[in-house]
Amino acid sequence: GAGVSQSPSNKVTEKGKDVELRCDPISGHTALYWYRQSLGQGLEFLIYFQGNSAPDKSGLPSDRFSAERTGGSVSTLTIQRTQQEDSAVYLCASSLAVTGAYEQYFGPGTRLTVT
Amino acid sequence: DQQVKQNSPSLSVQEGRISILNCDYTNSMFDYFLWYKKYPAEGPTFLISISSIKDKNEDGRFTVFLNKSAKHLSLHIVPSQPGDSAVYFCAASGSNDYKLSFGAGTTVTVRA
Repeated sequence: GAGVSQSPSNKVTEKGKDVELRCDPISGHTALYWYRQSLGQGLEFLIYFQGNSAPDKSGLPSDRFSAERTGGSVSTLTIQRTQQEDSAVYLCASSLAVTGAYEQYFGPGTRLTVT
Repeated sequence: DQQVKQNSPSLSVQEGRISILNCDYTNSMFDYFLWYKKYPAEGPTFLISISSIKDKNEDGRFTVFLNKSAKHLSLHIVPSQPGDSAVYFCAASGSNDYKLSFGAGTTVTVRA
């Protein structure tokens, strides 16, 4: 079956512009996560959605970052007024269950470059 | 703060030999540990996991060992194959936690 897909695969933007990153999770997966991987760093948790519950936004680095998940499926991560330090690979993952005991399935990521 | 640490950023091993990747964690509430493998331009893929009630889990060429008292786990790959060349991430979570905390990764290169 289809895995997690993300678009675009690459995005180059000028400092100060807004960007939207999209994630299509695996069908039937109720949990959706966004992570960020900066150069030389591990994956940094950003935000988590589970069903109709309020999302856990505790990992978002600033109020320039926001995310939504429509209809319990597709999610978009929006970064407003991008800064050079936002340059990273943004990874989306989905899973069947809410705890880490169930493997999270990752998309290929969106490489964001802010010039 | 980094709760999961992979102190070796890279590892080079000859084909057929054993690869040993190490991971340390600081959060005593972690009780589930996973290894992910990542090829360039792809997302991480799940490789193997271990629960804190075990000290070893084996799946084919891959074995994960857990030392809870030392807060240390390791991944053994034997024999190493060229297709194993990738970045390996260690991750951990608590049983009631949905977040995974990841290490920075170890790049493995298997030489022919």
